[in-house]
Amino acid sequence: QKEVEQDPGPLSVPEGAIVSLNCTYSNSAFQYFMWYRQYSRKGPELLMYTYSSGNKEDGRFTAQVDKSSKYISLFIRDSQPSDSATYLCAMSAGGATNKLIFGTGTLLAVQP
Amino acid sequence: DAGVTQSPTHLIKTRGQQVTLRCSPKSGHDTVSWYQQALGQGPQFIFQYYEEEERQRGNFPDRFSGHQFPNYSSELNVNALLLGDSALYLCASSREGTGGRPWGYTFGSGTRLTVV
Repeated sequence: QKEVEQDPGPLSVPEGAIVSLNCTYSNSAFQYFMWYRQYSRKGPELLMYTYSSGNKEDGRFTAQVDKSSKYISLFIRDSQPSDSATYLCAMSAGGATNKLIFGTGTLLAVQP
Repeated sequence: DAGVTQSPTHLIKTRGQQVTLRCSPKSGHDTVSWYQQALGQGPQFIFQYYEEEERQRGNFPDRFSGHQFPNYSSELNVNALLLGDSALYLCASSREGTGGRPWGYTFGSGTRLTVV
């Protein structure tokens, strides 16, 4: 079993739709939860991060963490064609190196 | 302000050959991590370098080795290349002493390695 599971999609939605992306995990030591966006031929860029359980909102993006269920989500409101990319969840237990454990990524296409 | 710079951007090698990939971290960053991203997969942690030493290693064989230089730049070396080594290799830099903040990484655009 992988430490982090993510539905690879692909996911196709019309412009303006609400998008829900999810990951589950098995390692209880994870304390830090991040969402990255990766455009084709580019490296991942940080979208959102949260520490422990709770919600965090930034513009059209909302990240949720439920540690009791080992489940995290990213919601995108009013999706735009420019949101078309691969979305990666990532987690870390912290420590000296803060290494990241990534999900497989979900490919999102927002149709104009 | 330059971010993380990786070279080359693309590389084609033959099985059994050796390859060296290079990374210059973001200005002000002193820690470099390397990740391998196979097609359709998320990045996997290879190792991290700080103060010119390998600090932690992921589940990768000894064919993968690295180095960090006094200017914080880093190299990833892969020996005896296998077809399965074909992937996007990402370098991520960060600043030590960020108080345990794993969201402090900046990723480069990667080197696309194809082994034929």
